Amino acid sequence: DSGVTQTPKHLITATGQRVTLRCSPRSGDLSVYWYQQSLDQGLQFLIQYYNGEERAKGNILERFSAQQFPDLHSELNLSSLELGDSALYFCASSVERGLGASTDTQYFGPGTRLTVL
Amino acid sequence: AQKVTQAQTEISVVEKEDVTLDCVYETRDTTYYLFWYKQPPSGELVFLIRRNSFDEQNEISGRYSWNFQRSTSSFNFTITASQVVDSAVYFCALSLWSDTGRRALTFGSGTRLQVQP
Repeated sequence: DSGVTQTPKHLITATGQRVTLRCSPRSGDLSVYWYQQSLDQGLQFLIQYYNGEERAKGNILERFSAQQFPDLHSELNLSSLELGDSALYFCASSVERGLGASTDTQYFGPGTRLTVL
Repeated sequence: AQKVTQAQTEISVVEKEDVTLDCVYETRDTTYYLFWYKQPPSGELVFLIRRNSFDEQNEISGRYSWNFQRSTSSFNFTITASQVVDSAVYFCALSLWSDTGRRALTFGSGTRLQVQP
C-alpha cells in the first residue's frame, strides 16, 4: 500500500458526460501528479500541483482540469468525455521539499479506471 | 525533451532464471533521476528502485540489481532467480532535477515479463 488513495476505483459513463476523480496524497506529501495510461499513448503526465498551486502541465486536454485543495487532496475533472478518454488515471504524490535527494520518489495510487461508452 | 526507450516488449522466462530488462534514456539535462516501477496484473504502479544521475554505483537489493551507465545512457534492471510473482509490466522512467516543476516522470513503453512455473 503506497499510502495514496484514489476514488472511485472504476467509473463507467457515457460520451459527453463530466466526471471527477479524487486523489488523497500520502501524509506529508505536498505534490500531486496526475497521469493517464491508455493502450495507444502509454503512461503520460497530465498535470502537477504543489501545495495548492499548479506547477507543471503535460499533455492535458483543455476539456480536463484539476485542482488541489487546502487539505492537499486533488481532483481531476474530465468533461465532454469522448470514447478515447477511456483509460486508467493515476495520481501520484511526493514530498518535494526542495532539491534534496530522497524526497522525489513519486508514489502512485491504485488508479481509477474510466470507461466511456 | 526527454525520452525513455524500452526495446523489449515482452520477455518470457522460466522460474529461477535471471532476467535483465533494458532501458535507454535521452535527456540534455546533466542531473536527473531514473526509476523502475512494476505494474502487476492488479494494475497498481509499484515503486521499485531509484538512481540519481550523479551516482553511478550499482547496487543489489535482494533479488533486484541495477546497472546504471551514464556513458551509454542506460539503466538496466535485473531480477535474479525470477519467481512467478515477478510477472508484471515493468516501466523505466526519468525525472529531471529541477525546482521549476519539471519533475514529472517520462515513462518508457514498458516490458511485460512472464515468468513460467
